[in-house]
Amino acid sequence: AQSVTQPDIHITVSEGASLELRCNYSYGATPYLFWYVQSPGQGLQLLLKYFSGDTLVQGIKGFEAEFKRSQSSFNLRKPSVHWSDAAEYFCAVGNAGNNRKLIWGLGTSLAVNP
Amino acid sequence: NAGVTQTPKFQVLKTGQSMTLQCAQDMNHEYMSWYRQDPGMGLRLIHYSVGAGITDQGEVPNGYNVSRSTTEDFPLRLLSAAPSQTSVYFCASRKKASGSSNEQYFGPGTRLTVT
Repeated sequence: AQSVTQPDIHITVSEGASLELRCNYSYGATPYLFWYVQSPGQGLQLLLKYFSGDTLVQGIKGFEAEFKRSQSSFNLRKPSVHWSDAAEYFCAVGNAGNNRKLIWGLGTSLAVNP
Repeated sequence: NAGVTQTPKFQVLKTGQSMTLQCAQDMNHEYMSWYRQDPGMGLRLIHYSVGAGITDQGEVPNGYNVSRSTTEDFPLRLLSAAPSQTSVYFCASRKKASGSSNEQYFGPGTRLTVT
């Protein structure tokens, strides 16, 4: 079955600390992988995506993610978290021809302590 | 351009009432989708459209209707509102081209409460 798992429902980090949000997927075809961020009361914004090539992808706001096929993972990282990064983060998987049916994780809520 | 816009931002309905959630995009995107977001359930696809005049069901279509008479607009109709439809609704759009242009653009959402 196709699925996306974000094992951490809620994470709290201190401002300036490093961050890693986990995402594991189960998908039959070659996956296209996405991370979206949702600030409170807002819609979702694309942080980064992986389709092919270099397995370390850079996104907006200083985020990066690494695709590890052998581990079926696409973890999101940031070396130094800012208070404005507090938000909900969603991982999603799809394929080139069927992006309208993205499989979504349930999200990880990030809180940032001053 | 404004991107994806949704109206209203908030709505309270009584059980049995009907209403239409509006969604519009000015990016000339072929694909448009409606999602609902519920705590612990993530995003679930309600209906989607691959172009004007073409719509299809997502994973939770019951109780909702859509139409796509123009490229820009994709309204979502609740025929007879039920408390189970209390949720936050997001509209999204993207271009038809495959590959790296697959990014979905989301509207700000409509928070609906059915009493």
